[in-house]
Amino acid sequence: AQRVTQPEKLLSVFKGAPVELKCNYSYSGSPELFWYVQYSRQRLQLLLRHISRESIKGFTADLNKGETSFHLKKPFAQEEDSAMYYCALSDYNFNKFYFGSGTKLNVKP
Amino acid sequence: DTGVSQDPRHKITKRGQNVTFRCDPISEHNRLYWYRQTLGQGPEFLTYFQNEAQLEKSRLLSDRFSAERPKGSFSTLEIQRTEQGDSAMYLCASSLGNRGGRYNEQFFGPGTRLTVL
Repeated sequence: AQRVTQPEKLLSVFKGAPVELKCNYSYSGSPELFWYVQYSRQRLQLLLRHISRESIKGFTADLNKGETSFHLKKPFAQEEDSAMYYCALSDYNFNKFYFGSGTKLNVKP
Repeated sequence: DTGVSQDPRHKITKRGQNVTFRCDPISEHNRLYWYRQTLGQGPEFLTYFQNEAQLEKSRLLSDRFSAERPKGSFSTLEIQRTEQGDSAMYLCASSLGNRGGRYNEQFFGPGTRLTVL
């Protein structure tokens, strides 16, 4: 069965500290992996996807097929990074999307 | 075009009543998705449309739920005989689909928060 697991509901770090938000998945096939972010009182929006292999707002994520993980990382957290982060996967046709339960990142000054 | 819009933003209803939500996607987007999000959870996929055709439906979409996109533009999601367990945020998203195999980003609406008393 398709599943996305985000083990941490809340992650608190100090400004300038490294951040890693964990995401593990199970999927029978080759999934497309994404990270979405929701800032306070804003809409859910795409942060990055694995295939583009780009850094957005200093965040990167590497797909590890052996460990079925897609962890989100940033070397130096900023207060404006505080938000809810969701890991998601879809099939190759983007017909269905499966979201994790989310991790709330709190960056303290 | 200010993005995906949803109406109403909030709906309070009594158990057993029918409710209908509307989603207006970004105008040139041919794909439209519906999700449900309960407290402490991520969005759960319900269904999606490619133009006016409903191509995928989740098992979460019981026979009390029906969605339409009659002209390939706006979409409606109706819940009949609402139950307290239907209380959730209902999200709509639209995208250009996967033209030429390329992914095009989903843009989400603000959601409709349903409370069933």
